[in-house]
Amino acid sequence: DTEVTQTPKHLVMGMTNKKSLKCEQHMGHRAMYWYKQKAKKPPELMFVYSYEKLSINESVPSRFSPECPNSSLLNLHLHALQPEDSALYLCASSQTPGAVAGNTIYFGEGSWLTVV
Amino acid sequence: DQQVKQNSPSLSVQEGRISILNCDYTNSMFDYFLWYKKYPAEGPTFLISISSIKDKNEDGRFTVFLNKSAKHLSLHIVPSQPGDSAVYFCAAMGVGSGNTGKLIFGQGTTLQVKP
Repeated sequence: DTEVTQTPKHLVMGMTNKKSLKCEQHMGHRAMYWYKQKAKKPPELMFVYSYEKLSINESVPSRFSPECPNSSLLNLHLHALQPEDSALYLCASSQTPGAVAGNTIYFGEGSWLTVV
Repeated sequence: DQQVKQNSPSLSVQEGRISILNCDYTNSMFDYFLWYKKYPAEGPTFLISISSIKDKNEDGRFTVFLNKSAKHLSLHIVPSQPGDSAVYFCAAMGVGSGNTGKLIFGQGTTLQVKP
């Protein structure tokens, strides 16, 4: 089972709203990631969590706030977003943090976010 | 500065024929490469990977070739099926101390397999 589950699949929010995206995996993976994908572009890394600690923040604006409550869950809290933040937000996980040959990164289905 | 490049935005092949998708990279610190397939409105699905210590890896209809000296890899799909029609992303990462697991993706190639 290589399943990464993301909720909600679709989210529409106003620029003053506070919302959260959720991600769950039960593969025992110790690294979890948030990626952002705009239309016709490749996914771009936002955050990496390694053993429940934030290890990488790719200079993401503070209106995006990640949280890792435990080894299976990853949240992305959203506040005061802009219309240009509308995108597909992808959660991913891998067995170990960092890159080891054979350590595949598995992606969830994504959450489509529209900011109005 | 695009470190991973997929120079063909699209490719069209006939069902049953071979599909060859190409990928070039510039960073010599990359030594683990993955191919993902993506349908619209879905997340990327892992297909196959290759480490730099190998030059070929095969899994069913999918084979990935790596030419490290040319910094080039290719994905072969044989035989191609209509269900293979999707966007294919090449991705690379650096292995070793200090690596972060950060995947660098190419721009993607849209494959269309015609019945």
